[in-house]
Amino acid sequence: AQSVTQLGSHVSVSEGALVLLRCNYSSSVPPYLFWYVQYPNQGLQLLLKYTSAATLVKGINGFEAEFKKSETSFHLTKPSAHMSDAAEYFCAVSVGNTDKLIFGTGTRLQVFP
Amino acid sequence: GAGVSQSPSNKVTEKGKDVELRCDPISGHTALYWYRQRLGQGLEFLIYFQGNSAPDKSGLPSDRFSAERTGESVSTLTIQRTQQEDSAVYLCASSRDSQAVEQFFGPGTRLTVL
Repeated sequence: AQSVTQLGSHVSVSEGALVLLRCNYSSSVPPYLFWYVQYPNQGLQLLLKYTSAATLVKGINGFEAEFKKSETSFHLTKPSAHMSDAAEYFCAVSVGNTDKLIFGTGTRLQVFP
Repeated sequence: GAGVSQSPSNKVTEKGKDVELRCDPISGHTALYWYRQRLGQGLEFLIYFQGNSAPDKSGLPSDRFSAERTGESVSTLTIQRTQQEDSAVYLCASSRDSQAVEQFFGPGTRLTVL
């Protein structure tokens, strides 16, 4: 069965610092992996997705993630945090023919000036 | 419409009452999903529609929960005899089809059961 683990429910960084949000997955088949962002009082927005093409995936707002099969990881990074990046980030894996998403518990990113 | 819409945006109800939550997917999207987000937790899958059929209802937590979809468009999630543990944000998502990979999410309905 597929599952996702996000390490760290809260991450705090200074503006301009590196952002690293961790995600590990478990899947018996090659997974499709996603990062979604949820800004306060807004719906989920897709940041990026991995669908078995390039292992380094670039998304919106300067974010990227690298699929590492050997580590079963799909960590999200951004070289330089901006105040507007403060939000909750969810890692997810899609399952089976229905493509329903299995989500991690989320990581809340705070950015300090 | 331009995106997935949900109504109401907020719903406060008393324990034991029934509620209906509505989702309008993006026009032409045949796949529709309901998820639930309880406070401090990730999103939980509830049910998946392909067209008007629901081949995967595995996430519905109890028989108090049901959903339907008509005209390959609007979907309604019904919770009967609400309980306090039903309090959550209920999110709807749609995709072009079940193989389209990307799901587009609505803003959610925040349900509070007193």
